[in-house]
Amino acid sequence: SQTIHQWPATLVQPVGSPLSLECTVEGTSNPNLYWYRQAAGRGLQLLFYSVGIGQISSEVPQNLSASRPQDRQFILSSKKLLLSDSGFYLCAWSLGLAGARGRELFFGEGSRLTVL
Amino acid sequence: AQTVTQSQPEMSVQEAETVTLSCTYDTSENNYYLFWYKQPPSRQMILVIRQEAYKQQNATENRFSVNFQKAAKSFSLKISDSQLGDTAMYFCAFPGGGTSYGKLTFGQGTILTVHP
Repeated sequence: SQTIHQWPATLVQPVGSPLSLECTVEGTSNPNLYWYRQAAGRGLQLLFYSVGIGQISSEVPQNLSASRPQDRQFILSSKKLLLSDSGFYLCAWSLGLAGARGRELFFGEGSRLTVL
Repeated sequence: AQTVTQSQPEMSVQEAETVTLSCTYDTSENNYYLFWYKQPPSRQMILVIRQEAYKQQNATENRFSVNFQKAAKSFSLKISDSQLGDTAMYFCAFPGGGTSYGKLTFGQGTILTVHP
């Protein structure tokens, strides 16, 4: 069966420090991978998605970047964190295009980032 | 822009009663899927139910059902016989970028509290 792991679960970082959140999917090949951010317990904002190794699409210009060094690994990074980067970050995967033909997104447990 | 709107930030219901969560969306596409996701306090988001717009019959999954009104672009979630474990944030989701883009757009969410 497929599983998705995200870490760290909780992170407290000072302003200006770097960030690396990792996400790994097991039990499937060539998944579509996504990073969402949920601010203040509200709606989800799509940040990045990837349809293959090295292929990253950015939805919102910001202080963050994403990389996909391996088929089932997705990394969210920042060189210098801002206060506004605080939030709950969710990694997700789908097999094929999410939403098309009813394909669902499968979510990780999330990473809570607090920038002080 | 294709959008998803949930107009009820918070709702509450007594255990064993029925509650309906509202969702409206905007699209120019003719065939697509709509989704309801649940995010319990433990945070892992899971799919509750999906509806294909091409089908007139409303989807049902045990105590969860939808009232899909395609012309009105309305997609509400009905929870019957509410249980304490239904306490969660609920998100309506839709392929906001079109089904060819493989991205789900989420509403702002409705926090549902089930009281004993």
